[in-house]
Amino acid sequence: NAGVTQTPKFQVLKTGQSMTLQCAQDMNHEYMSWYRQDPGMGLRLIHYSVGAGITDQGEVPNGYNVSRSTTEDFPLRLLSAAPSQTSVYFCASSYSRTGGSSGNTIYFGEGSWLTVV
Amino acid sequence: KNQVEQSPQSLIILEGKNCTLQCNYTVSPFSNLRWYKQDTGRGPVSLTIMTFSENTKSNGRYTATLDADTKQSSLHITASQLSDSASYICVVSRNSGNTPLVFGKGTRLSVIA
Repeated sequence: NAGVTQTPKFQVLKTGQSMTLQCAQDMNHEYMSWYRQDPGMGLRLIHYSVGAGITDQGEVPNGYNVSRSTTEDFPLRLLSAAPSQTSVYFCASSYSRTGGSSGNTIYFGEGSWLTVV
Repeated sequence: KNQVEQSPQSLIILEGKNCTLQCNYTVSPFSNLRWYKQDTGRGPVSLTIMTFSENTKSNGRYTATLDADTKQSSLHITASQLSDSASYICVVSRNSGNTPLVFGKGTRLSVIA
């Protein structure tokens, strides 16, 4: 059972380049999201999706695009990389958006380390 | 403002000892509170999830408590092991809004022999 799979693990970009971080889950979860984790800060939500064809912005969406053409995949695109986007990126999935009162488990990928020079 | 504050920021303990990590939150409307363990270079892994009506939840040597009245939670680790060295993140879920999860900055625990 693969869970949430992210690629690549590590990437170095030059300022202005574009790239896509891939995320796939095999648990048939409707809700997927992307976070960034910076030193001294909690995880911050970039974009999320509540199902195929539906995406929305989170807390820090500027400079990123997402799409959700299938339930399994949720890629994150950096349009024109900037040094401020140097961070660790985590993809997550869960059965529902907030977990609700039943507290659905949220599964995270292993992370993608991105450096923009 | 919805916030999750964790303390201490970092902690060093001897193998075999117990420790308690704290989490205070000002998140509303409250849905549930989660504790995650994040090993260095890895993604967060769920330890416990507690809803409003639950006061305590255990997962092996990890026991989480929740006081919804004072908006405080703690994570107690019993008989620590070297493998417990990690960051422990408190996450509070809201019932509304575009950012339903509010993350704490984590407590960095180091267990030494």
